[in-house]
Order: sequence, then structure tokens, then C-alpha cells
Amino acid sequence: GAVVSQHPSWVICKSGTSVKIECRSLDFQATTMFWYRQFPKQSLMLMATSNEGSKATYEQGVEKDKFLINHASLTLSTLTVTSAHPEDSSFYICSARHGLAGGYNTGELFFGEGSRLTVL
Amino acid sequence: RKEVEQDPGPFNVPEGATVAFNCTYSNSASQSFFWYRQDCRKEPKLLMSVYSSGNEDGRFTAQLNRASQYISLLIRDSKLSDSATYLCVVNMLGSGGYQKVTFGIGTKLQVIP
Repeated sequence: GAVVSQHPSWVICKSGTSVKIECRSLDFQATTMFWYRQFPKQSLMLMATSNEGSKATYEQGVEKDKFLINHASLTLSTLTVTSAHPEDSSFYICSARHGLAGGYNTGELFFGEGSRLTVL
Repeated sequence: RKEVEQDPGPFNVPEGATVAFNCTYSNSASQSFFWYRQDCRKEPKLLMSVYSSGNEDGRFTAQLNRASQYISLLIRDSKLSDSATYLCVVNMLGSGGYQKVTFGIGTKLQVIP
């Protein structure tokens, strides 16, 4: 089946530094990828929709200057948490939708393994 | 009102029991629906899609009621390995014409020996 790889799995950084998380679709092309954040005992919250070759679409309340998204190719999207602070500590997960021929897709999302960010 | 609402539980059921979860959604234009399963500290994985006519996969049955805007998941003969959080997922058209995927908070199921 389709595979999405996310890196790094764990990252610990000092407050004020920037952290980049990569999301790759390994065996399919993904024109759209999604970035989520999940705090403990809470639901997955969509942060932004990453579109290849165009600007990401951010959900209300998500600062686009703080969470920079780049989707430069059909297999790679990156999320950069700039000037990270302890409140940014969370589980970040990306997902991609497998597109079939003719543009129709099944709707199934394939998720990366997630990246656990801890900001000290 | 939340776009997708679920009872977070937990639902504690004995092995072999039948358990059902419901999920309501607010956007009547929602296009497709899914149940995902998420184990603790892991990424969500697709359990099954939900079709208008209802669909069954082994011990799992999913149903969609568009008129009342809810979907359901029924698990028969619960196994210990069914213990997980079940996420209701709704796919709708967001602003700008992009498809938007919204997750419910998830319902936690604990199957007890």
C-alpha cells in the first residue's frame, strides 16, 4: 500500500530555535498533503493543507509565519516551526491522499509516523 | 457546534460484546466519510470507508445517515486487540475549493478480558 514517511520521529530543541519536519510520499505522488497537530488526549487538529506548487492553506488560528509549509515537489512537503516555544510541544503528523488516474481519489489518507516535538 | 462530534468515551466493554459508536457532522455538503483507528502514540490508520448503502467488513459494520447527518460504527464480538481510539473522519469541500478533512475527537474503546 501507499507509504508516507515522516522525519524526524523525535526532536528536542531549545526555545527560540526553528525545527523542520519532512513528509515524503514514498511510492506515489501527492499533490496535496495535510499537516496536523495533536495535543495529549485531544483530537487531530488540521493545521494546514499543503498544495504542490502553490501556497499552503492555513486553518483559522494557525499562524502561517510561525508554521512555514513548503511543498516544492510531488513527494515532499516540509513544516518548519519557527522560533519554537514550549507551548509548541506537540505531536505533528502529516498525511497525503493517494490520487488515482483521472484525478479521482479514494479519499483514503495515508499518515506519516508522526513527529514528537519537545521544546525546552 | 463542532464540525464533527464524537463521544470521547471511554467505552469499557467485555470481550465478545457488541459496541456501537456514533458520529455527527454539521456540514450537509460533506462528501465522504471514514473510520480510522488510532493506537496510543501511533498514527491513525484507515479502518473502513463509509458508504451510503452501509458496508460491512468482518466484525465491523459502518452506516451513513445523510438525513440526520451521522455515521456509525458497529463492532461485533469485541476482541482485546480492538482496544484503541476510533476516529470519525469527514471529507468536505473547504473554502477555496480544496477538499478539507476533519477529524472527530475520537472515541476510546477498551475491551476488557
